[in-house]
Amino acid sequence: DSGVTQTPKHLITATGQRVTLRCSPRSGDLSVYWYQQSLDQGLQFLIQYYNGEERAKGNILERFSAQQFPDLHSELNLSSLELGDSALYFCASSVAPDANTGELFFGEGSRLTVL
Amino acid sequence: GENVEQHPSTLSVQEGDSAVIKCTYSDSASNYFPWYKQELGKRPQLIIDIRSNVGEKKDQRIAVTLNKTAKHFSLHITETQPEDSAVYFCAALRSGATNKLIFGTGTLLAVQP
Repeated sequence: DSGVTQTPKHLITATGQRVTLRCSPRSGDLSVYWYQQSLDQGLQFLIQYYNGEERAKGNILERFSAQQFPDLHSELNLSSLELGDSALYFCASSVAPDANTGELFFGEGSRLTVL
Repeated sequence: GENVEQHPSTLSVQEGDSAVIKCTYSDSASNYFPWYKQELGKRPQLIIDIRSNVGEKKDQRIAVTLNKTAKHFSLHITETQPEDSAVYFCAALRSGATNKLIFGTGTLLAVQP
């Protein structure tokens, strides 16, 4: 158990819908990262927050948004869903603002299926 | 932006043999290179990392080498065991302004008993 909690574990929805994925980082970790894992794309970096502020941005679509709340949990909002958004969405956390200061602790992921 | 290429995409070895996975990166300023292992249906976990001021790092049966001139780094697993079977991801990061940890596309390693 990494200490990172993601909900829901599985989610099935239809095209055009909106979903929210939730992540609680390890106790004491201030950084939260979101990654998308699809079969042919590996782990794609979406966005990182540190202590409530956006720290780094990757290939996150405009239809997607995220935020980190004062209690440090984070939410990833996916809207106007398309079939291609079906993937496993990982949240990871670390204590430091920079990803080179140690391990990123990944959650178990949220598997999104868009029908 | 940073791009990380990883080869091979699949690798099958006999138990006891060695396995080598190679990655190349595009940003010459990258200075941190971790490797993550993802077992089937599980989350990625860090197994080893190397920084740009070091050419090689070893931890028991796994080692990582870094060639900054050629911009490539490799994971070496010796005396492979069935429990080494997993997907391995390399990653690269240039700390500072971008702070984006970019992963390769992964290598599925199958160790045949």
